[in-house]
Amino acid sequence: GAVVSQHPSWVICKSGTSVKIECRSLDFQATTMFWYRQFPKQSLMLMATSNEGSKATYEQGVEKDKFLINHASLTLSTLTVTSAHPEDSSFYICSARDSLVRVGNEQFFGPGTRLTVL
Amino acid sequence: KNQVEQSPQSLIILEGKNCTLQCNYTVSPFSNLRWYKQDTGRGPVSLTIMTFSENTKSNGRYTATLDADTKQSSLHITASQLSDSASYICVVSSDSWGKLQFGAGTQVVVTP
Repeated sequence: GAVVSQHPSWVICKSGTSVKIECRSLDFQATTMFWYRQFPKQSLMLMATSNEGSKATYEQGVEKDKFLINHASLTLSTLTVTSAHPEDSSFYICSARDSLVRVGNEQFFGPGTRLTVL
Repeated sequence: KNQVEQSPQSLIILEGKNCTLQCNYTVSPFSNLRWYKQDTGRGPVSLTIMTFSENTKSNGRYTATLDADTKQSSLHITASQLSDSASYICVVSSDSWGKLQFGAGTQVVVTP
């Protein structure tokens, strides 16, 4: 149980285009999902917290107009990188918190999406 | 300054040998501490989770310890295998619904 999927697993795009990444909780409902970014040899950095049915909360320094987050259902959150530039190239990882679990703050991570902007 | 510090940054061990990774944290208040294994190009996978009252927890060949008084944790890998080569990340949560504080990870390479 507690499986989180991401699609696509990797994507290459041209500079200036937009890319959408999907994060799905496959066997549980997730009121809250999280989006992280990870650069080579660095740890995960939280970008934003996505709550179903409401606006996402962005971390300081993360441009909300560039990284659009939509959490339209209890099993799906999407991250759209708009007008992507080479510096946006990174490994994007989502995680989901089981709505029914009230203790422990357990987050289940997706397998990640490798974005390369040419 | 990162509130979760891990050491060593990297290590190389021979297959079959044991190793211990360290994690010191200053996160307060404290709710729980997790160790994750992250293979290259993959998302983190949970190994253990410990709350304030737990001193040790095992998951197969992985054994984690926690000293909440000194705010230190360790992850011991027994009889290492080539598949243990990965980054091991210590993550601390400050409350049941708080943000996770990530360590930078320890890169482990197991050689034949």
